Order: sequence, then structure tokens, then C-alpha cells
Amino acid sequence: AQSVSQHNHHVILSEAASLELGCNYSYGGTVNLFWYVQYPGQHLQLLLKYFSGDPLVKGIKGFEAEFIKSKFSFNLRKPSVQWSDTAEYFCAVNRGSGFQKLVFGTGTRLLVSP
Amino acid sequence: DTGVSQDPRHKITKRGQNVTFRCDPISEHNRLYWYRQTLGQGPEFLTYFQNEAQLEKSRLLSDRFSAERPKGSFSTLEIQRTEQGDSAMYLCASSPGTGGVQPQHFGDGTRLSIL
Repeated sequence: AQSVSQHNHHVILSEAASLELGCNYSYGGTVNLFWYVQYPGQHLQLLLKYFSGDPLVKGIKGFEAEFIKSKFSFNLRKPSVQWSDTAEYFCAVNRGSGFQKLVFGTGTRLLVSP
Repeated sequence: DTGVSQDPRHKITKRGQNVTFRCDPISEHNRLYWYRQTLGQGPEFLTYFQNEAQLEKSRLLSDRFSAERPKGSFSTLEIQRTEQGDSAMYLCASSPGTGGVQPQHFGDGTRLSIL
């Protein structure tokens, strides 16, 4: 069965620190990849997506992610976090081929201290 | 921007009762999805509609669960004979229906608590 792993469940950083959140998936075929963010008290919002092409994708608020096919990974990065980045981050995978459902990881809770 | 709307926001009910949730997708979004999220987990897919047709259904969706989208606009998710394990956040999402995979836009969810 397809699964998505997010190894860091909780991350605590100081403002201006760099961020990298890991995401690995198990499906071997064509995949579409997403990062969603959930700020406290808000709904899930799309940060960025990868469908094809340049494996380095840029999203909103200075986030980027790199798709490494050989490692089945899609790690999220930000060079310098802000207090307002405190949120829960979810990696999600769609296996394509006409399937529409997303398979989510368990999420990473990020706390940025001012 | 009227996003995905879900009603109610919270539902508390006794075990064994039936509950129904409603989801209004973003206008003109043909695709509608239901997910369930429990504490410490990511959302888990339940079912997907393209217009009024239910095209994908998870094995998580037992026979106590039924979802409808009769006119291809809003959708309802009903849980019959609720059990303790049904306590969760139920999320609805929608996306445009053109082309292949499109990003899904999520609502705020309905939090179900079973007493």
C-alpha cells in the first residue's frame, strides 16, 4: 500500500534558522507531490506542488521543495523561518493514473520561537 | 473568496445515533473529496465525487458511512449508528474538474465527538 512518511513529528527552531522537513513515499510509479500547511485554527492550505519538470519547486512564503526520484523524497525547505511559520506541515502524494485521492503523512509540528 | 464551507463545525452525539455533515465546495469545482483526520495523524481519504458520481471509495468507508452529491454541488456525509472510533475531524475538499490532478482546497472541517 502506498504510504507517506514524515520522520520529524515535532521541530523547534529559533527565528532565522533554516528549515528542512523530510518526506518519503513508497509508491514507485508516477506521483504528484504536495506540501500543505495548517496554521493554528485554520484549514489546510497548499504550500507548493510538484507534477513534472524542474524537481525544485517554489511555493508561497519562501518555501521550496526538491523532488528526488531516486530517493522517493520530497523534502520541504526554507532558508530562514519566521515566528509566523509556526504551524503543522503535511506532505501528500497522489499516484496519478486517474486516481484523485491524496495520501498524507502524519504531519510535522513546527514551533518557531521569536 | 468563498472557500469550501462545512456545517456544522462541531457535532457532539451519543453512541448509536446517526449524524449528517454537509459540505459546500468552491463554486464551479466539479470534484469533491471527504477525508477523516484523527489526533496525531494526517487526513485519510474516504471518498471522491466527480460531479454527482462517486468514483473512489476507501475501505475505511464502512457500510455505516454513506456520502451523496445528488446535484453535483453540495455533498452530505452520513454516519449511521455512530461508534466511539468515529470521533474525528471530517474534512471536505474540492478541486476544479478539468485535466488531471488539481490541488485540493480544504474546508475547516466538522469535528465529531461521540459520547
